[in-house]
Amino acid sequence: GNSVTQMEGPVTLSEEAFLTINCTYTATGYPSLFWYVQYPGEGLQLLLKATKADDKGSNKGFEATYRKETTSFHLEKGSVQVSDSAVYFCALRATGGFKTIFGAGTRLFVKA
Amino acid sequence: GAGVSQTPSNKVTEKGKYVELRCDPISGHTALYWYRQSLGQGPEFLIYFQGTGAADDSGLPNDRFFAVRPEGSVSTLKIQRTERGDSAVYLCASSPTGQSDTQYFGPGTRLTVL
Repeated sequence: GNSVTQMEGPVTLSEEAFLTINCTYTATGYPSLFWYVQYPGEGLQLLLKATKADDKGSNKGFEATYRKETTSFHLEKGSVQVSDSAVYFCALRATGGFKTIFGAGTRLFVKA
Repeated sequence: GAGVSQTPSNKVTEKGKYVELRCDPISGHTALYWYRQSLGQGPEFLIYFQGTGAADDSGLPNDRFFAVRPEGSVSTLKIQRTERGDSAVYLCASSPTGQSDTQYFGPGTRLTVL
């Protein structure tokens, strides 16, 4: 079945460091891929998405590229801020599907 | 505008009791989803409504779980004979029409079964 695997956390970085959170998926066809973020005390928010191979999703300085050949959708940011501290979830939705399948989440701590 | 709201925000109950969790989707959204998020895990799909009907209930873990959306807006997730393993955060999401839409999540209801 469809699944998402993302790197375990927590990830601890200093402010202005480069961030990568790895995500790989298993799915047939061409699923849509997402990164959601959950800030402390808040609900899940869509951070970015990509719907076809080689698409790059971007938002708030974060980027992720849909790589069909490696079935990956790694999240990157060039310079993290303390306010980026949150839990990040990689997710997919199968072509024509309704349910979103989430990874286990990666907690990011950014130190000043 | 108003986002997805869920009530109560916290619910503590005893094993064996019945609970109802409510979701108010964004006005005009026809698609509504319920997910369950256990501690340290990502959300797991439970059920999807398109309008008043449950289009996909394949994620409901057993027949103690049931959800309704009688008028195509507010939805209620009902859990009978609660068990300690039901303790989790129950998330609701809505989207304008379904399939390829962005899903907007509510803040969740934290259910604790003692």
